[in-house]
Amino acid sequence: DAKTTQPPSMDCAEGRAANLPCNHSTISGNEYVYWYRQIHSQGPQYIIHGLKNNETNEMASLIITEDRKSSTLILPHATLRDTAVYYCIVRVAFLRNTPLVFGKGTRLSVIA
Amino acid sequence: DVKVTQSSRYLVKRTGEKVFLECVQDMDHENMFWYRQDPGLGLRLIYFSYDVKMKEKGDIPEGYSVSREKKERFSLILESASTNQTSMYLCASSPEGQGRAEQYFGPGTRLTVT
Repeated sequence: DAKTTQPPSMDCAEGRAANLPCNHSTISGNEYVYWYRQIHSQGPQYIIHGLKNNETNEMASLIITEDRKSSTLILPHATLRDTAVYYCIVRVAFLRNTPLVFGKGTRLSVIA
Repeated sequence: DVKVTQSSRYLVKRTGEKVFLECVQDMDHENMFWYRQDPGLGLRLIYFSYDVKMKEKGDIPEGYSVSREKKERFSLILESASTNQTSMYLCASSPEGQGRAEQYFGPGTRLTVT
């Protein structure tokens, strides 16, 4: 799996958009970008994934640069419940025996 | 919504006991996984299964075994619990198919072995 680089921590005011960056400069053509988050004392939660096009779902938007070397997860209206560690992972999608590898992620603190 | 449930949130066992951790998913997913999570070490894969009665070792299978008799249920067994198996155990499931490798996690079981 290609490695990812994320800032260790970020703050965001409640109600504002949270933009979480991720660098993955060695990503391969068949690797997807996945985002997960983990709220304290809970299991990781899948958020969104994409290959090269921007993606949006009910939780977030994923913007992938044209060269695919970086991406940004956007939480459009952050709430206190979005305080968590956010993980950016790149991996081949259909590869049964490749586990998810969680790095250190970004600790997002949403402030009232 | 995908739902992955684990039998206990907190468990305390004594050294040498046999421990069963149960995981059930309700979305007909083919793949199921057991991880443990420890501070500073991240998530480490213990075992996974991509079909009923199929299992494959992950990165740290020693001291553990698994059972998958039904598609929706994946059990992790600690044959003889030891203090170094004190950890948070996380079960996950994922659907099969191209571009569908997202994993859905249960709430976790915090196991303490004394």
